[in-house]
Amino acid sequence: NAGVTQTPKFQVLKTGQSMTLQCAQDMNHNSMYWYRQDPGMGLRLIYYSASEGTTDKGEVPNGYNVSRLNKREFSLRLESAAPSQTSVYFCASSRLITGYTFGSGTRLTVV
Amino acid sequence: ILNVEQSPQSLHVQEGDSTNFTCSFPSSNFYALHWYRWETAKSPEALFVMTLNGDEKKKGRISATLNTKEGYSYLYIKGSQPEDSATYLCAFKGDTGFQKLVFGTGTRLLVSP
Repeated sequence: NAGVTQTPKFQVLKTGQSMTLQCAQDMNHNSMYWYRQDPGMGLRLIYYSASEGTTDKGEVPNGYNVSRLNKREFSLRLESAAPSQTSVYFCASSRLITGYTFGSGTRLTVV
Repeated sequence: ILNVEQSPQSLHVQEGDSTNFTCSFPSSNFYALHWYRWETAKSPEALFVMTLNGDEKKKGRISATLNTKEGYSYLYIKGSQPEDSATYLCAFKGDTGFQKLVFGTGTRLLVSP
């Protein structure tokens, strides 16, 4: 089925460990995004990629890096995980006028 | 920093009730207003993308209106059903720079049988 595929679905990390969240879309969308969702805070943009080859910071980029590997794939890396990064992470993609298509989310716990 | 506000935060209605929520957003530099439905343990799904002042969109029992001059949008659900229970998000897209969505914190709707 067409859509946005996110992996892993769940992850527990120790403080200081690193990991990469993977995201791929097969809808030929130009733009891709990483959001985090925390209770009472709504969805906050971490990084986005307007088109292949470009990435930019969103509202809460500190502690994260991203790579737009090709048009399909946009990964999010935590270099040294901190408890404050415990959250649910969503990847999304879009064209200019369409609604966003979201992945199923990654629930990350940093202990 | 753009401010997108939704009210109420939560709502509990009985099956068959009609209900509506409000989304307030900046009235300047408007490009689009999105509505999403987000069921527990799932990911948000797009309901409507609205771009013109006065726009009205409808999908089944759910409809939305848009007033860009005063910066608000209403989402209506007619004859609520238990399966309508979800969080409803609105998101604003401005027309400056790359048009990223800014989300409100949502209205959580619970419909009891």
